[in-house]
Amino acid sequence: SQQGEEDPQALSIQEGENATMNCSYKTSINNLQWYRQNSGRGLVHLILIRSNEREKHSGRLRVTLDTSKKSSSLLITASRAADTASYFCATDTNAGKSTFGDGTTLTVKP
Amino acid sequence: ETGVTQSPTHLIKTRGQQVTLRCSSQSGHNTVSWYQQALGQGPQFIFQYYREEENGRGNFPPRFSGLQFPNYSSELNVNALELDDSALYLCASSKRAGDGTGELFFGEGSRLTVL
Repeated sequence: SQQGEEDPQALSIQEGENATMNCSYKTSINNLQWYRQNSGRGLVHLILIRSNEREKHSGRLRVTLDTSKKSSSLLITASRAADTASYFCATDTNAGKSTFGDGTTLTVKP
Repeated sequence: ETGVTQSPTHLIKTRGQQVTLRCSSQSGHNTVSWYQQALGQGPQFIFQYYREEENGRGNFPPRFSGLQFPNYSSELNVNALELDDSALYLCASSKRAGDGTGELFFGEGSRLTVL
């Protein structure tokens, strides 16, 4: 079974709006990472947050981590059509093995 | 561009055949992980190689095997192909950090179709 579960499975918004997607996981982690995947292509690393961090920013991305609730959220502000993609969270529990959820498919309409 | 290259990009095989997929890791990276991604799902961890040794394996049968070479490139071999092996196979390289974790740099994948 997958360690991470993203929610919602699909999200459709208008350009300029904010997009929030959530990730829940089951066991203790070393860190949590978010990746983006354009249709059928390789995954691109977006941001890594360590277990002792609560919030991290990178450009229009904001990630939070709540280890007590075993959950994380990814916020994309001022979304663009180019943000249309699938977004995955990945948790690292052991050395180097990243476990992925099934992703949130984001559609940003122009 | 991540610097991770995979070949072939697409291939079609029939049940029972064998396939070898190849991955060249990014310069300076000593760890390669392989993932299987079925349509509409997230990547599933197959195994990882660190300095030419298998370093962790997911829930995949022994007919999935791999190698890592001295230049840190890697191969994934699948024997006795089954229809359910149809998927996108992703290779990811990384530089193993002190805590054993790190950002993964993915290739564009090899899409395998088994008929």
